[in-house]
Amino acid sequence: NAGVTQTPKFRVLKTGQSMTLLCAQDMNHEYMYWYRQDPGMGLRLIHYSVGEGTTAKGEVPDGYNVSRLKKQNFLLGLESAAPSQTSVYFCASTPGGAGANVLTFGAGSRLTVL
Amino acid sequence: GQQLNQSPQSMFIQEGEDVSMNCTSSSIFNTWLWYKQEPGEGPVLLIALYKAGELTSNGRLTAQFGITRKDSFLNISASIPSDVGIYFCAVRFEDYKLSFGAGTTVTVRA
Repeated sequence: NAGVTQTPKFRVLKTGQSMTLLCAQDMNHEYMYWYRQDPGMGLRLIHYSVGEGTTAKGEVPDGYNVSRLKKQNFLLGLESAAPSQTSVYFCASTPGGAGANVLTFGAGSRLTVL
Repeated sequence: GQQLNQSPQSMFIQEGEDVSMNCTSSSIFNTWLWYKQEPGEGPVLLIALYKAGELTSNGRLTAQFGITRKDSFLNISASIPSDVGIYFCAVRFEDYKLSFGAGTTVTVRA
């Protein structure tokens, strides 16, 4: 059981380039989330989805877009990368309901923007 | 976003020590959670608290949900080297969103 898989694990971009981070979960979870982690700031929610075809803004959505065309995948896009987007990005999912507190996280994607 | 104040920011542990960390909020929450993150991994849930005053254990870890519902603490008893990592408190919002504290980094004292 793979759980939550993020690709790529590492990426270096130049300012202005675009890229997409992919999150895939094989647990049939309804809810999916993208967080970023920066030193001393914990994890901050970027965007999330409550089901296939839905997306919503989190705490720090600016500069990012997301899509959830299939239930198992949640894509995070950067249209024009900026150095301030250098961070470690984590995807998480949960079934909702009784199991909702147990967010299952991926291993993270480290992005550096030069 | 919700501001959770987590302290201390970092701590050094010596094997066998008991250590404690806490988390406070200016708002009331009905669910408090504690996660641990090891290097190169995502956070993993340690303990979930659902009731004010609740004291819950998971092995050598004990967490309490404050009676005011505005705070929580986590104790680690008899520390071992594998306790190193970053510990996060978190609270739950609608749509099962979690808001995290800044984390407490636990390192082994040389």
